[in-house]
Amino acid sequence: QKEVEQNSGPLSVPEGAIASLNCTYSDRVSQSFFWYRQYSGKSPELIMSIYSNGDKEDGRFTAQLNKASQYVSLLIRDSQPSDSATYLCAVNIRSGNKLVFGAGTILRVKS
Amino acid sequence: DAGITQSPRHKVTETGTPVTLRCHQTENHRYMYWYRQDPGHGLRLIHYSYGVKDTDKGEVSDGYSVSRSKTEDFLLTLESATSSQTSVYFCAISESSDSGYEQYFGPGTRLTVT
Repeated sequence: QKEVEQNSGPLSVPEGAIASLNCTYSDRVSQSFFWYRQYSGKSPELIMSIYSNGDKEDGRFTAQLNKASQYVSLLIRDSQPSDSATYLCAVNIRSGNKLVFGAGTILRVKS
Repeated sequence: DAGITQSPRHKVTETGTPVTLRCHQTENHRYMYWYRQDPGHGLRLIHYSYGVKDTDKGEVSDGYSVSRSKTEDFLLTLESATSSQTSVYFCAISESSDSGYEQYFGPGTRLTVT
């Protein structure tokens, strides 16, 4: 079992819809969770971080964390073609300053 | 922009040659990391540093060494490059926050080993 798992996609949604990206992790003691967006040929860009159970909203993005189920998700409301990218989930495993990344989910927003 | 630069941005080298990649930061962050990114594998940690001359291995450290003689520079060396080390290499720095360590990435170096 991989430490951080994501569905590779592609996930295709129409413009204006809600995109839901999911991530599961194996380490029950993980405390920090991050979502990165990566455009083709570019470096990963941090878009959300979440540390407590529940929801955290930032503009059109909402991160959801459920530590009991070892599950973190990212919702993108009013999806735009510019949201088309690969979304990487990252979790701190065992040590506070190291992250393990999922392989990423490709999101395609169709206009 | 976390003030991170990487050099070179692109490099083609031959099997068996040593290669050094440089990561430079301008904001005195304590933690620095080297990752490689390959299709289907996501980002994998090679080595990281938690201070000057303080480094440790990551998940895929075989064939790589690192050095950090100054806070601002973190060097990654491929001792004898192999075709399996063809990849995109990213440097990252870490800023501590209340409960975690957010990492910010440099622009990357695309390395091809022929």
